[in-house]
Amino acid sequence: EAGVAQSPRYKIIEKRQSVAFWCNPISGHATLYWYQQILGQGPKLLIQFQNNGVVDDSQLPKDRFSAERLKGVDSTLKIQPAKLEDSAVYLCASSYRPRDSPSYEQYFGPGTRLTVT
Amino acid sequence: QKEVEQDPGPLSVPEGAIVSLNCTYSNSAFQYFMWYRQYSRKGPELLMYTYSSGNKEDGRFTAQVDKSSKYISLFIRDSQPSDSATYLCALSGGSYIPTFGRGTSLIVHP
Repeated sequence: EAGVAQSPRYKIIEKRQSVAFWCNPISGHATLYWYQQILGQGPKLLIQFQNNGVVDDSQLPKDRFSAERLKGVDSTLKIQPAKLEDSAVYLCASSYRPRDSPSYEQYFGPGTRLTVT
Repeated sequence: QKEVEQDPGPLSVPEGAIVSLNCTYSNSAFQYFMWYRQYSRKGPELLMYTYSSGNKEDGRFTAQVDKSSKYISLFIRDSQPSDSATYLCALSGGSYIPTFGRGTSLIVHP
């Protein structure tokens, strides 16, 4: 089974520029997440989608970050304009609920490492 | 106080040692408890999850949850150099929006 795919793997931009990240979740996983992981910290949820609807975007800086999940499959996360503090790894994850389990299993992609100079 | 506290380490142990990794939390609403392993420059990988107090074992790994103390642990028996990674705890409530600890860096030296 193919895992969560993300691209690009690395991106270097100057502050005030814009950038976009792409994610393709595991086939059949209805829930998709975008996380920001700053060096030395755990992942912080930015936005959660259920199919193509937003479940939680309370920690998404909406003045500069946007995300969409068209047709309930692929997703893109955009930053415009970027700031120095946006330098981080952006992780995409998808999840499903196994039969007979009360919880979900979440799978992460390899992440996109963003450096803002 | 953060919702989930985890000592960043690093924790350095010799090969074959028993490793104990821990997290404490403050939110009584957390119902699901997960452990992830993250190798350098990789995404986190789900190791184990549990939703009740007590122990859950999977091979060399044992997850332990004490809801009364708000304390969770991951034990690794017969640790190997390949276990060297960052271990993240993650907790969630019924909405399954996990809150992660900052991770503990583990180094197992031959």
